Amino acid sequence: DTGVSQNPRHKITKRGQNVTFRCDPISEHNRLYWYRQTLGQGPEFLTYFQNEAQLEKSRLLSDRFSAERPKGSFSTLEIQRTEQGDSAMYLCASSPPGTDYGYTFGSGTRLTVV
Amino acid sequence: LAKTTQPISMDSYEGQEVNITCSHNNIATNDYITWYQQFPSQGPRFIIQGYKTKVTNEVASLFIPADRKSSTLSLPRVSLSDTAVYYCLAAGGSYIPTFGRGTSLIVHP
Repeated sequence: DTGVSQNPRHKITKRGQNVTFRCDPISEHNRLYWYRQTLGQGPEFLTYFQNEAQLEKSRLLSDRFSAERPKGSFSTLEIQRTEQGDSAMYLCASSPPGTDYGYTFGSGTRLTVV
Repeated sequence: LAKTTQPISMDSYEGQEVNITCSHNNIATNDYITWYQQFPSQGPRFIIQGYKTKVTNEVASLFIPADRKSSTLSLPRVSLSDTAVYYCLAAGGSYIPTFGRGTSLIVHP
């Protein structure tokens, strides 16, 4: 297992198009998180899955955003009708069960909306 | 969620010890303190985690006083490759880890 994998690493899209990102967490990790990060800011929480259940969603996650984690394995984050303000790094993290483990992040997907 | 406060930036020189302090006045009983390092265009990387007193691993030490309202990340003998943004988080397993703006550390030759 090589850690949390995110694809693609970079995505350039035109405003109004839909985009989908994929995250493959560490296999034994049942918790999965999506974050968004813009330049000069820390990562902002978007949503959280425990196994296949989406347990938390940030108010940042407008109705244009949707995330899934079928069968509690990989996860996808879709953004519909992209806007220039969606340009950011989208990070995925996973963690195992328990309260005293750190979170392992992927390298992120850099989205540029033109 | 415990809000954390860190210096926005710090400068140091190669070979020096760097101490970055984080305040978390509203930390909850079940919150752990975790520090992450982030390089440009990469995701944050776990450095160290602790609950109280002192924790040490191969890259850093974490000092947490008895009241747990602050913590200090200590990086011994920094090198140029330690130039990065460092984030302090105070969260328990049932909470969503919330990042602040972090501390941008620049190590000079």
